[in-house]
Amino acid sequence: ETGVTQTPRHLVMGMTNKKSLKCEQHLGHNAMYWYKQSAKKPLELMFVYNFKEQTENNSVPSRFSPECPNSSHLFLHLHTLQPEDSALYLCASSQDFGVGAGELFFGEGSRLTVL
Amino acid sequence: GENVEQHPSTLSVQEGDSAVIKCTYSDSASNYFPWYKQELGKRPQLIIDIRSNVGEKKDQRIAVTLNKTAKHFSLHITETQPEDSAVYFCAAIENTGGFKTIFGAGTRLFVKA
Repeated sequence: ETGVTQTPRHLVMGMTNKKSLKCEQHLGHNAMYWYKQSAKKPLELMFVYNFKEQTENNSVPSRFSPECPNSSHLFLHLHTLQPEDSALYLCASSQDFGVGAGELFFGEGSRLTVL
Repeated sequence: GENVEQHPSTLSVQEGDSAVIKCTYSDSASNYFPWYKQELGKRPQLIIDIRSNVGEKKDQRIAVTLNKTAKHFSLHITETQPEDSAVYFCAAIENTGGFKTIFGAGTRLFVKA
């Protein structure tokens, strides 16, 4: 396996469902990120974890709940979502967090549709 | 915080022509400017980056220029090929209260054969 793996690749859920997105990185990186990608909008940073500790919550609604049990795994728990939350959710990792962070390595994304 | 503006949103060129994508940023403390390419249905991948201590960087057909005074940077692709067709994102590392990669809205490049 190479790089950053996300599952599931596609998810359809109702507004009352509870689901989770999973991300795993095989690069030995210390920082992991969740980004939201909507059509014709910039990639929006949602959460940042550095050495398993959350260092950034970019004003994300509480219906999105991240979890980082170790430096290789990152989850995004979803609950009571709205149709406008439908988007591609991208996980990324970098060697470190901070001025030397450098390149972000992205997963393929999880395409979420909220009905 | 940092704000990155990117233009144009769509760009269509003939194969062999050059393509230029421009970005501006707001935070003068930003010091790292990567460019990512996202092909249809694929993940974004870094293609080139530049740090604030240089004004230009080149890698084969791709070059990036940075004007710190004007706070803008550009991506130049020469001798475009159909496989260059993709969405290109510029970004800046926000350097205040934490280090976050802030992206532009993207440019969809079409290279016509």
